[in-house]
Amino acid sequence: AQSVAQPEDQVNVAEGNPLTVKCTYSVSGNPYLFWYVQYPNRGLQFLLKYITGDNLVKGSYGFEAEFNKSQTSFHLKKPSALVSDSALYFCAVRDTARGGNTPLVFGKGTRLSVIA
Amino acid sequence: DSGVTQTPKHLITATGQRVTLRCSPRSGDLSVYWYQQSLDQGLQFLIQYYNGEERAKGNILERFSAQQFPDLHSELNLSSLELGDSALYFCASSVEDVNEQFFGPGTRLTVL
Repeated sequence: AQSVAQPEDQVNVAEGNPLTVKCTYSVSGNPYLFWYVQYPNRGLQFLLKYITGDNLVKGSYGFEAEFNKSQTSFHLKKPSALVSDSALYFCAVRDTARGGNTPLVFGKGTRLSVIA
Repeated sequence: DSGVTQTPKHLITATGQRVTLRCSPRSGDLSVYWYQQSLDQGLQFLIQYYNGEERAKGNILERFSAQQFPDLHSELNLSSLELGDSALYFCASSVEDVNEQFFGPGTRLTVL
């Protein structure tokens, strides 16, 4: 079965420092991978996705993620964190081996806190 | 603004009652997804509809049902409500299964 793990419940980083939010996944076939962000009292917002191609994916608000097949990881990164990046971040995966009806599976989320 | 709308924003009801949550997808999106978000369970996929037909089912209780209408809006019906059903319910839509999903603002359900 497909699954995704976000090993850190909370990540704290100083403003201006680089940030990384970790995600690992498990699928039978090739993964479609997504990152979403959720601000308080809001729905999830799409940040970026990996479907195929270049392992480094660039997304919204200066975020990027690197697909690493050997380590089954898709970590979210940003070179310089902003206080406004503080939010809940979700990684999600779809297993392409299971066909088009396979739903997205979300991780439990990582709360990012950027301190001024 | 994602283009996905959900009503109502908040809903407070009593145990044993029945409620209906409504979702309008982004213009042109054929797929609608329902999720439940609670503190202890995280974000749980409930059900997906594609162009009016049920496409995939997740951890949806038998007390819950959904449908997608010809105009592509969707409704999630929750019946015989229990305290544990209190949660945020999100609707999302996408063009196709492989594309990213766009989420609505959610409906916060409180069962007293």
